[in-house]
Amino acid sequence: ETGVTQTPRHLVMGMTNKKSLKCEQHLGHNAMYWYKQSAKKPLELMFVYSLEERVENNSVPSRFSPECPNSSHLFLHLHTLQPEDSALYLCASSQDLNEQFFGPGTRLTVL
Amino acid sequence: RKEVEQDPGPFNVPEGATVAFNCTYSNSASQSFFWYRQDCRKEPKLLMSVYSSGNEDGRFTAQLNRASQYISLLIRDSKLSDSATYLCVVNDDYKLSFGAGTTVTVRA
Repeated sequence: ETGVTQTPRHLVMGMTNKKSLKCEQHLGHNAMYWYKQSAKKPLELMFVYSLEERVENNSVPSRFSPECPNSSHLFLHLHTLQPEDSALYLCASSQDLNEQFFGPGTRLTVL
Repeated sequence: RKEVEQDPGPFNVPEGATVAFNCTYSNSASQSFFWYRQDCRKEPKLLMSVYSSGNEDGRFTAQLNRASQYISLLIRDSKLSDSATYLCVVNDDYKLSFGAGTTVTVRA
């Protein structure tokens, strides 16, 4: 299934690095989302973009910076992360903020 | 109180058995409901939407009880491939709230 793709699939970074996660959806949807999934915890919504405008910023630290250049692409820029930021970062898309379809995720490890 | 609560399980059932579990939600104004399935180290995948009248998709039956604010999922004739974590999801406008998941393990 290639409806929602994410790169890289795995990322190891130091606390002083800057990196970006990329998400692309091929479903013609108009909304995209970033979620964080830590072990044994529910998915946590981080950001929502609808029609390329950010409609939700769920009290996410500023070391996470989203970017949505168009309705098909979503980025998450990372800088000066902490070890507790290690998690699975999932991108999703939907049409009109309905059922969401997820990408495979980026498994991030911060050393 | 958590927005969405699920029994984490695990539910260990033999092949062919029926297994059912519930999920409660706190916001009475919640608009739509879903069950997602997540396999180990994979992304969640939409299993089925939950409609007010209840709905069935093959061996899977979902029910919604608005009065008591819970949804349920029943799996009949369990297969080994049904082993997964089932996530209850509640939609309030654009915000999806996820439960922590119920783990089901089907054994041969």
